[in-house]
Amino acid sequence: EAQVTQNPRYLITVTGKKLTVTCSQNMNHEYMSWYRQDPGLGLRQIYYSMNVEVTDKGDVPEGYKVSRKEKRNFPLILESPSPNQTSLYFCASSLDPGLAGVEQYFGPGTRLTVT
Amino acid sequence: GENVEQHPSTLSVQEGDSAVIKCTYSDSASNYFPWYKQELGKRPQLIIDIRSNVGEKKDQRIAVTLNKTAKHFSLHITETQPEDSAVYFCAATRPAAGNKLTFGGGTRVLVKP
Repeated sequence: EAQVTQNPRYLITVTGKKLTVTCSQNMNHEYMSWYRQDPGLGLRQIYYSMNVEVTDKGDVPEGYKVSRKEKRNFPLILESPSPNQTSLYFCASSLDPGLAGVEQYFGPGTRLTVT
Repeated sequence: GENVEQHPSTLSVQEGDSAVIKCTYSDSASNYFPWYKQELGKRPQLIIDIRSNVGEKKDQRIAVTLNKTAKHFSLHITETQPEDSAVYFCAATRPAAGNKLTFGGGTRVLVKP
């Protein structure tokens, strides 16, 4: 089954404790992206990757890191989480976005609470 | 960069009535406009999209219109049903930005039986 998976689905942590949210897709997609969803703000892009070893900042990259060592995986790293990073996070993937508009497939989401 | 505004933020309609959600975008180079539906506790899923060379697209009870001159596009849902209750997001993208999607703030639609 074609899918995007994320782990963990729920996470409660404390300020400053490093964490990683994993994302994996089995559709051989080149493009992967991380979004955070906050009430009234829609989905805002954190980082994206056009292909292996190619990553770039989205609209709200501060406090986050990513890596793309393999095509299927795109982990999101919070080196020192803060309460303002409490949010719902979605990973997404798609074919080469250079094509004229392609559907992005979203993972199930990770609800993160930082106390 | 691109800015997408979406209205209204909440919309309550009676079952069987129509619902209309409107979005405006700022970047005239944007050429792809998808709409995503997010049911409670679920992931966003694409329901319909439109490209800049088309003015209108319809898929059963949903339709999208695009006015490139005015830089706005709309989602129309006819004969609404309870299962249409969800949050709907519009988005815009342009090739020069790696087709990065910029989303509107979302519209929470409630269909009352």
